[in-house]
Amino acid sequence: DQQVKQNSPSLSVQEGRISILNCDYTNSMFDYFLWYKKYPAEGPTFLISISSIKDKNEDGRFTVFLNKSAKHLSLHIVPSQPGDSAVYFCAATPSFDRGSTLGRLYFGRGTQLTVWP
Amino acid sequence: IAGITQAPTSQILAAGRRMTLRCTQDMRHNAMYWYRQDLGLGLRLIHYSNTAGTTGKGEVPDGYSVSRANTDDFPLTLASAVPSQTSVYFCASSDELGRQYFGPGTRLTVL
Repeated sequence: DQQVKQNSPSLSVQEGRISILNCDYTNSMFDYFLWYKKYPAEGPTFLISISSIKDKNEDGRFTVFLNKSAKHLSLHIVPSQPGDSAVYFCAATPSFDRGSTLGRLYFGRGTQLTVWP
Repeated sequence: IAGITQAPTSQILAAGRRMTLRCTQDMRHNAMYWYRQDLGLGLRLIHYSNTAGTTGKGEVPDGYSVSRANTDDFPLTLASAVPSQTSVYFCASSDELGRQYFGPGTRLTVL
């Protein structure tokens, strides 16, 4: 049972335009959400996160929006660059699982973003 | 700072053989994780460890075992490899904010 869903396996965007990657979750106990970026033959790298007490978090060209009522989050990349081409994973974790060291992440299946010149 | 290192980088293994994937971190994180990544399935948690001396099962633990003798090392063992264990394996650790840091991965092929 996939608790974190990325329904678009791929997205193609022109350089300079906005990329919007979407993620839905089903577990209402999730309260911390993360986005990871993965290049081929490398491990995923942390990109940006958001706590459920916020509805927006921004870091340079990357902004994550959280809509708790819809159990939906999105990652906006503006402007998109060819170097942004990668697989993006959405992840979430529930508060009860965090304890003192924070708990396991539940990952979506990823969205392949291609930014073309 | 190396972060997370994994060994080997890749391996071809005959079915039925035993194999241990190594993972070492130098960030002194308490929690560590093993994932496998398969095309179209994303990252699936195999086993995890919240602190040295403790381990737990993830969503796909069958055929795998782990140990956590100290903070830095978290090896993953396939006791008797099967072709369905062909995958890319990632080790990770998490900081106090819940952000996980991943190693470069081990590509394993079981024939």
